[in-house]
Amino acid sequence: SQKIEQNSEALNIQEGKTATLTCNYTNYSPAYLQWYRQDPGRGPVFLLLIRENEKEKRKERLKVTFDTTLKQSLFHITASQPADSATYLCAPEGSSNTGKLIFGQGTTLQVKP
Amino acid sequence: EAQVTQNPRYLITVTGKKLTVTCSQNMNHEYMSWYRQDPGLGLRQIYYSMNVEVTDKGDVPEGYKVSRKEKRNFPLILESPSPNQTSLYFCASSLSGRANYGYTFGSGTRLTVV
Repeated sequence: SQKIEQNSEALNIQEGKTATLTCNYTNYSPAYLQWYRQDPGRGPVFLLLIRENEKEKRKERLKVTFDTTLKQSLFHITASQPADSATYLCAPEGSSNTGKLIFGQGTTLQVKP
Repeated sequence: EAQVTQNPRYLITVTGKKLTVTCSQNMNHEYMSWYRQDPGLGLRQIYYSMNVEVTDKGDVPEGYKVSRKEKRNFPLILESPSPNQTSLYFCASSLSGRANYGYTFGSGTRLTVV
């Protein structure tokens, strides 16, 4: 079955550094992969989408890569700020054409001033 | 403002008492979906709808019903709630039925069944 793995341990970094979060998927090849930010008790907020034929996508301080050979996506936040502290969810498209996203459990990022 | 509106935000109910959680979007999105989020299990899809009058089961549909009579509304119905349905629920919408557009999520409904 499809499996999404994100680092379950929290990532703690110093303000100004680059945060790198990892998402690995197994047993299938999604055509799209999305990243979301979620704050405690709030709904996830869409950040970026990357297609299988795109190696990299950028939006302001955010960068996502998509390596279909390694079955891995990396999510980078450059010049991180305390306001970036949140849980980040990786969500590849499910294997059937249902529009379904399969969400990873997320990695919590803590940026210290 | 483009948004998905869920009501109520918080709900405490008793076992067996039917309830409805409403969801409405103002973006003319075709695709709508319900998720539940539980610690250690992440977000799991309950039901989804590709368009008006078209609904289908997600990964955890037992104990839930949905309907899509209008494009903007997608209510979640619990006919006979049980304590294992205590969870944080999210409604989401997207422009199309493929995952090539981002989802817009509602603010969530925290349901407690006692």
